[in-house]
Amino acid sequence: DARVTQTPRHKVTEMGQEVTMRCQPILGHNTVFWYRQTMMQGLELLAYFRNRAPLDDSGMPKDRFSAEMPDATLATLKIQPSEPRDSAVYFCASGLITGSGNTEAFFGQGTRLTVV
Amino acid sequence: GESVGLHLPTLSVQEGDNSIINCAYSNSASDYFIWYKQESGKGPQFIIDIRSNMDKRQGQRVTVLLNKTVKHLSLQIAATQPGDSAVYFCAENTGGFKTIFGAGTRLFVKA
Repeated sequence: DARVTQTPRHKVTEMGQEVTMRCQPILGHNTVFWYRQTMMQGLELLAYFRNRAPLDDSGMPKDRFSAEMPDATLATLKIQPSEPRDSAVYFCASGLITGSGNTEAFFGQGTRLTVV
Repeated sequence: GESVGLHLPTLSVQEGDNSIINCAYSNSASDYFIWYKQESGKGPQFIIDIRSNMDKRQGQRVTVLLNKTVKHLSLQIAATQPGDSAVYFCAENTGGFKTIFGAGTRLFVKA
């Protein structure tokens, strides 16, 4: 049963600390998305990659957030330094984009981040 | 669940009735639309999609209608069941495969 795997599921950290969230996309998918979900803002697209190259990270605060794909099986989202306002659930999703068009994204279970 | 907004529009239906969830999208250039279901503590899950060259698509118990003239999307769930209780999001692809989500609607199914 192919699925997107995110680690950790929960993270509590102190303000100022670095946070790294990891995502293993579904094997064979060529597009990876990072979303943030909060009560006030709903689901916000932070960044997305196609074939490991960043296509759009305009939704991400550049000064403290960074997203990378070191290889096809791993995507990371880092926050340094973390702030209480970063508290949210962070979702990774992957999908397969082909020449015939886009398809739906498959979501992981999310990482619940709490910054105190 | 605690991962979604407290102030979402809410639809309450009786078990067995049909549900209709509406969504207005923003970009007239969007060419692909998806409905997702999110249960408490889980990530959004794909329900059904539709491309802009169609105005209706049916799945198992679900139908999506697209009205490009007024930029409106709806999800119809037939014979709604308690397991359908969740938050439902419409999402649009705005080009470059960038998927943007709407605010969501919370569906309560009364037994």
